[in-house]
Amino acid sequence: QVQLVQSGAEVKKPGSSVKVSCKASGGTFSSYAISWVRQAPGQGLEWMGGIIPIFGTANYAQKFQGRVTITADESTSTAYMELSSLRSEDTAVYYCARDQPSITMVQGVIITTRYWYFDLWGRGTLVTVSS
Amino acid sequence: QSALTQPASVSGSPGQSITISCTGTSSDVGGYNYVSWYQQHPGKAPKLMIYEVSNRPSGVSNRFSGSKSGNTASLTISGLQAEDEADYYCSSYTSSSTLGFGGGTKLTVL
Repeated sequence: QVQLVQSGAEVKKPGSSVKVSCKASGGTFSSYAISWVRQAPGQGLEWMGGIIPIFGTANYAQKFQGRVTITADESTSTAYMELSSLRSEDTAVYYCARDQPSITMVQGVIITTRYWYFDLWGRGTLVTVSS
Repeated sequence: QSALTQPASVSGSPGQSITISCTGTSSDVGGYNYVSWYQQHPGKAPKLMIYEVSNRPSGVSNRFSGSKSGNTASLTISGLQAEDEADYYCSSYTSSSTLGFGGGTKLTVL
């Protein structure tokens, strides 16, 4: 059974950075897309960005451009989300979530189709930003 | 401010049907069939209920159904049960190659 196992809760000072990990146990990690979604206390879900590990290129929500970095290590089936210049408003539960794009090769060209739904979620990592 | 607009709350009695709307624009909901719905109980991770507008994942009750008309997607829950009480979120792919979520709807089963 495939699971996404996230790292533990963090407490950070304003202005610092946090790096949260998400390890996939089972399945074919390279073929997944991993997104990061956060949820501030009492608030809704917010997509931050995502990555397809086999390609290594991430895309980000405009709100987080320049402040978030999403990476993946295929050798350990682990995705990472690093958020810098932390402020109190970044206090939230951070989830990693999987979607499964279709990746095919047609006449030497890689065709990737994402379906943008998350069928597997991690349990979340609470990041608290406080002085 | 969320990209997609949902009602803050809806309620219904056991056995009744309710519908939750999710309104976007032609750049997201109206332009793509990549609309999903998630159920979230307090303290838990979201759970996928509907994908690609109207498809149900294996294991999700057929009491849950999805549809779309123009820029508005809808989630309908029929035969309401106490366990359906939760927060529900819609999401949609956008023309910016990103994903937007709705602000969430709290469903109360009376």
